[in-house]
Amino acid sequence: AQRVTQPEKLLSVFKGAPVELKCNYSYSGSPELFWYVQYSRQRLQLLLRHISRESIKGFTADLNKGETSFHLKKPFAQEEDSAMYYCALNAGGTSYGKLTFGQGTILTVHP
Amino acid sequence: GAVVSQHPSWVICKSGTSVKIECRSLDFQATTMFWYRQFPKQSLMLMATSNEGSKATYEQGVEKDKFLINHASLTLSTLTVTSAHPEDSSFYICSAPRQGHEQYFGPGTRLTVT
Repeated sequence: AQRVTQPEKLLSVFKGAPVELKCNYSYSGSPELFWYVQYSRQRLQLLLRHISRESIKGFTADLNKGETSFHLKKPFAQEEDSAMYYCALNAGGTSYGKLTFGQGTILTVHP
Repeated sequence: GAVVSQHPSWVICKSGTSVKIECRSLDFQATTMFWYRQFPKQSLMLMATSNEGSKATYEQGVEKDKFLINHASLTLSTLTVTSAHPEDSSFYICSAPRQGHEQYFGPGTRLTVT
């Protein structure tokens, strides 16, 4: 069975500092990995998916199959980045199947 | 962008009663929808996959007789929590994948059972 682990429940940084949210997964096949963000009082929304290899709002994430990791990074954090971040895995290999979520990391960016 | 709505956004019910939560895809058709449960500041746990025109698929440990799912049309799935108890109090979220796009999430429904 697949599993997603986000070791940090809380992460605090100051504005302008680099930030890295860790995500590790276990799955025997070739998963599709995502990062979702949930701002205060808003719904969950897609931030990144590994297959698109894009940068959204300054965030990037690289899939490291050797380390089974998909860490989310941003070189200069902004206060508006404060939110709950979830790493998720889709074992079906598409964007459309059911997702397994990590425990989530609450990121707080202080001014 | 595509929108998924949920109704109600918040419901309080007495222990022993049943409550129905609706999930609608507003501008696209969804043959599949997913129902998740989220505890405060915790992760989303997949409960079941709702399939239009067929029975829902429940995840291990989820009572199908407790959480009834009906996918009545290509834009509507309902979750009925039967004989609710205080331990069923939670935040219930649905999602609907859109072919060629991504999976869209509803805003969630907060259920409080007194």
